[in-house]
Amino acid sequence: AQSVAQPEDQVNVAEGNPLTVKCTYSVSGNPYLFWYVQYPNRGLQFLLKYITGDNLVKGSYGFEAEFNKSQTSFHLKKPSALVSDSALYFCAVRDIPYTNAGKSTFGDGTTLTVKP
Amino acid sequence: SQTIHQWPATLVQPVGSPLSLECTVEGTSNPNLYWYRQAAGRGLQLLFYSVGIGQISSEVPQNLSASRPQDRQFILSSKKLLLSDSGFYLCAWTFSSDTQYFGPGTRLTVL
Repeated sequence: AQSVAQPEDQVNVAEGNPLTVKCTYSVSGNPYLFWYVQYPNRGLQFLLKYITGDNLVKGSYGFEAEFNKSQTSFHLKKPSALVSDSALYFCAVRDIPYTNAGKSTFGDGTTLTVKP
Repeated sequence: SQTIHQWPATLVQPVGSPLSLECTVEGTSNPNLYWYRQAAGRGLQLLFYSVGIGQISSEVPQNLSASRPQDRQFILSSKKLLLSDSGFYLCAWTFSSDTQYFGPGTRLTVL
């Protein structure tokens, strides 16, 4: 079974400050991990993913995420937040090997608000 | 490049009326297709997924159904809508990359 948790419903940061959106996961094997962003009344957009290799993954719009196997975490980070980063962020996990038609399990989402 | 379309973008339907939402994908073959529902701008609930034409798996028992009549077409239907069917419906596809690519969504309001 696979599961993912986003412990914070809401994260507030000031523009220019670093941001972190937290995610922890549980899988029976090795995980595929993903971050998606959703703007109001839009579909989800892919930001970045971890499959294997370097624990620090870089993605779109200056975002990055750090895979930590011992802590089963995959936190999303950005060194300097922009007001335009304000959105709903989803973490997702899929167990390996390729089973269950590639179904991912999504977290409940974290609303990021960046204030000017 | 691949694109995914959903229509309609918004829909207001009375309780008890039928429903048909359509999703099509361009630029790929034999994708895995998914229907999700999102309530109140929060988490995603996987409703159905399909690995091929005519192959539908249901995740949640409900009054909704799905069909895949063509390789890149995925349809979500209901014979009689309930108030609780209101929400934001998202279609997504994936292939070998495992990344899911989402459509723009359909906002359904049942009155």
